[in-house]
Amino acid sequence: DAGVTQSPTHLIKTRGQQVTLRCSPKSGHDTVSWYQQALGQGPQFIFQYYEEEERQRGNFPDRFSGHQFPNYSSELNVNALLLGDSALYLCASSLVDQETQYFGPGTRLLVL
Amino acid sequence: DAKTTQPPSMDCAEGRAANLPCNHSTISGNEYVYWYRQIHSQGPQYIIHGLKNNETNEMASLIITEDRKSSTLILPHATLRDTAVYYCIVRVGGGADGLTFGKGTHLIIQP
Repeated sequence: DAGVTQSPTHLIKTRGQQVTLRCSPKSGHDTVSWYQQALGQGPQFIFQYYEEEERQRGNFPDRFSGHQFPNYSSELNVNALLLGDSALYLCASSLVDQETQYFGPGTRLLVL
Repeated sequence: DAKTTQPPSMDCAEGRAANLPCNHSTISGNEYVYWYRQIHSQGPQYIIHGLKNNETNEMASLIITEDRKSSTLILPHATLRDTAVYYCIVRVGGGADGLTFGKGTHLIIQP
């Protein structure tokens, strides 16, 4: 049973660029959530997607956007990158209205 | 903001039980207590969750006080691989909300 997978594992960008991160949920899951984890901090919730729509959003600017595809995989897009966007980006999947989220290994983004 | 309070760090000897406390004095009746852990540079791993009854699974036990204002995660026989940051999270049942992580407890298992 495949777990949550994310790509790429590492990424380096420069300020002002745009980035797209990808996530494939655990087999059978239909809901994907994205989190940002800065160094030394706990993960912060960005948003959640279900049925190809954004269902819930945390306190992140509109530069952060996402998409969910019919196969339940998801993308996180960040525009106009800032140095402060450097972080580990985590994807978590779950079944809608069930309690437990399962996390992928993350994508480490460095903005120079 | 996180609705839980945890000690920033704890040590435990290998083979002993590790008891990690968590205070959640403002927990609501429909909020569950969740525990996740994060081993260095990996994604968080689900451990266990409960509403008001004590819970046990193959990884750990969760003890919730009768007034639900605090809980304890118990790792019965800690190994070096249990060294990680442990997060206690309270969350409304239903799945729509994201998880609100605090800073967690850095548990160090000593050989």
